[in-house]
Amino acid sequence: GENVEQHPSTLSVQEGDSAVIKCTYSDSASNYFPWYKQELGKGPQLIIDIRSNVGEKKDQRIAVTLNKTAKHFSLHITETQPEDSAVYFCAVYNAGNMLTFGGGTRLMVKP
Amino acid sequence: NAGVTQTPKFRVLKTGQSMTLLCAQDMNHEYMYWYRQDPGMGLRLIHYSVGEGTTAKGEVPDGYNVSRLKKQNFLLGLESAAPSQTSVYFCASNPSGGAAEQYFGPGTRLTVT
Repeated sequence: GENVEQHPSTLSVQEGDSAVIKCTYSDSASNYFPWYKQELGKGPQLIIDIRSNVGEKKDQRIAVTLNKTAKHFSLHITETQPEDSAVYFCAVYNAGNMLTFGGGTRLMVKP
Repeated sequence: NAGVTQTPKFRVLKTGQSMTLLCAQDMNHEYMYWYRQDPGMGLRLIHYSVGEGTTAKGEVPDGYNVSRLKKQNFLLGLESAAPSQTSVYFCASNPSGGAAEQYFGPGTRLTVT
C-alpha cells in the first residue's frame, strides 16, 4: 500500500518567518494531495490541495508544491502568525476511496 | 448546518466492554469514514461507506464493526474493547469519494483500561 512520510514532526518558527513541511510518498499513481490543519481539540480541516496535473498552487499565505518525479510535495506558509500554530497533516490519494495520511507536524509560531 | 457531529465526546471503557460511536452528518453526503488518530501516526482509516447500506474495510478494521442504515448516520462499534483501541476517533464525510475534501467531526476520545 501507499506509504507517506512527513517531516519534520515538530517545527518552531518566529512570527513572520516562513514554515515548510515536506511529505514523500511511494505510489507513483497517486494523484491528489491535500493538506489538513488540526487545531487543538478539533477535527482536521482542509486548507489546500493539489492534483497531479499541477506543479504549484497558492492561496494567500499558503502554497503547495508538487514534484511528481521525486514523489514529494511541500506546504509553504509565509509570514506566519500565532493562529497558524496547529498540527498539519499531508495526505495522498491514489485509488480505492482511501486517503493515506502522514504522521503530522506540530507547528509552533512564537510571537 | 451542524456539519459532522460525533457522540459521545469522551468515554472510558474497561477491557472487554462494548460500545457504539455515532456519527451524523446533515450535508447529504454519500461517503462517510471512520478514522483513528494515534500520536505520530496521523489518521488511519478503519472503515468507510460509499452510500446507505454499504460498508467497506479500511487500513485497520480489526476489532471494529460499522453500519450505515441511514444515509446521514455512520456507526462504529467495538464489540470487546482492548487497551490497544485507546485512541481519538474521527468521523468524516464527503459527497464524492477519496479525491475530494473530507469534512471531519470534532472527535471522540476513547480510553480503554
